[in-house]
Amino acid sequence: KNQVEQSPQSLIILEGKNCTLQCNYTVSPFSNLRWYKQDTGRGPVSLTIMTFSENTKSNGRYTATLDADTKQSSLHITASQLSDSASYICVVSGGASGGSYIPTFGRGTSLIVHP
Amino acid sequence: DAGVIQSPRHEVTEMGQEVTLRCKPISGHNSLFWYRQTMMRGLELLIYFNNNVPIDDSGMPEDRFSAKMPNASFSTLKIQPSEPRDSAVYFCASKFSTDTQYFGPGTRLTVL
Repeated sequence: KNQVEQSPQSLIILEGKNCTLQCNYTVSPFSNLRWYKQDTGRGPVSLTIMTFSENTKSNGRYTATLDADTKQSSLHITASQLSDSASYICVVSGGASGGSYIPTFGRGTSLIVHP
Repeated sequence: DAGVIQSPRHEVTEMGQEVTLRCKPISGHNSLFWYRQTMMRGLELLIYFNNNVPIDDSGMPEDRFSAKMPNASFSTLKIQPSEPRDSAVYFCASKFSTDTQYFGPGTRLTVL
């Protein structure tokens, strides 16, 4: 069964600190992995997308890594800001039929940044 | 571009009533997705259209749920009859080809 597990479930950090969110998956075959940020009351917004051959990708203060061998990804947030408070969702596409459009969603990590 | 537009933003209805959620995808996008999000289960893909044709509806929970896409600029998700366990936030998303999906603001459905 295709699964995406995220940890921690929730995280509280002080403004200006760094943090790392984890994503482990069992989706096979693999097509791509995306990290989304979802602010309260809004739809998810894509932060990064990584394919099999990519092992790191940055978007401003967000840096995602991918280890396709161990089926693990991380999202590192540098110098956190209050606006980073949100839910971060890991989504892996692929699946039994090989269709890249079939996404499996993690439950998300809820990040709270305190001043 | 206004982004993905969903209506209504909030819907409160009584058990047994029919509910219709609406979505207007971003112009030019050829794929449309309907999702449901709850605290217990997170985000779940319900159904996905490509060029107005339903491709994968394996996520639709049961026959009470139906979705249509009569043209490239409009889609509906209907629940009939609605039940309290259908209460959730329903998101519509669209994309072009293999590009990133863009999500709408969601419809918060409460079934009493």
